[in-house]
Amino acid sequence: NAGVTQTPKFQVLKTGQSMTLQCAQDMNHEYMSWYRQDPGMGLRLIHYSVGAGITDQGEVPNGYNVSRSTTEDFPLRLLSAAPSQTSVYFCASSSDRLNSPLHFGNGTRLTVT
Amino acid sequence: GNSVTQMEGPVTLSEEAFLTINCTYTATGYPSLFWYVQYPGEGLQLLLKATKADDKGSNKGFEATYRKETTSFHLEKGSVQVSDSAVYFCALSPTFQGAQKLVFGQGTRLTINP
Repeated sequence: NAGVTQTPKFQVLKTGQSMTLQCAQDMNHEYMSWYRQDPGMGLRLIHYSVGAGITDQGEVPNGYNVSRSTTEDFPLRLLSAAPSQTSVYFCASSSDRLNSPLHFGNGTRLTVT
Repeated sequence: GNSVTQMEGPVTLSEEAFLTINCTYTATGYPSLFWYVQYPGEGLQLLLKATKADDKGSNKGFEATYRKETTSFHLEKGSVQVSDSAVYFCALSPTFQGAQKLVFGQGTRLTINP
């Protein structure tokens, strides 16, 4: 079982460049979300989606865009990268049952210089 | 607002030692509480959960009890192994909201020496 697949694993960008972090899940989960992980701050929610065509902002949405055209995919776009966006990014999914656990991908380590 | 506070790390123990990682939370209503574990180079995975007061979650020898009176969900294990070395995250899901909106603590890095 693939679970949640994130690509790429590593990425280096220059300030102002744009890129898309890919996330796909094969568990037919309705809920998908993006977190960033920074030292000493745990994980913070960027954006989430409760189903295809529906997205909403989390705690730290500025500088990021998302869309959900299919159940399987939930890409995260950085339109103009900034050094403050250097972080490890995790995509996660869960079923729509209350208290269902999150299933995480292995992360993308992004460095913005 | 909702928040989770974990004990400062890193924590270093010898094999077979007793482990406690403290976690306290602030939330309105009746949140669900979780412990996630992150092994090196991997994403987080659910370790255990508790959905109401006095519930005890357990898995792989780890336990945590949901204490509403002290707003705590401390993680314990009686005898740790080298394979338990990882980063541990305490998290809450606000009342009647799904797991997609978890609020995480800052994580505690645990190292077990043989």
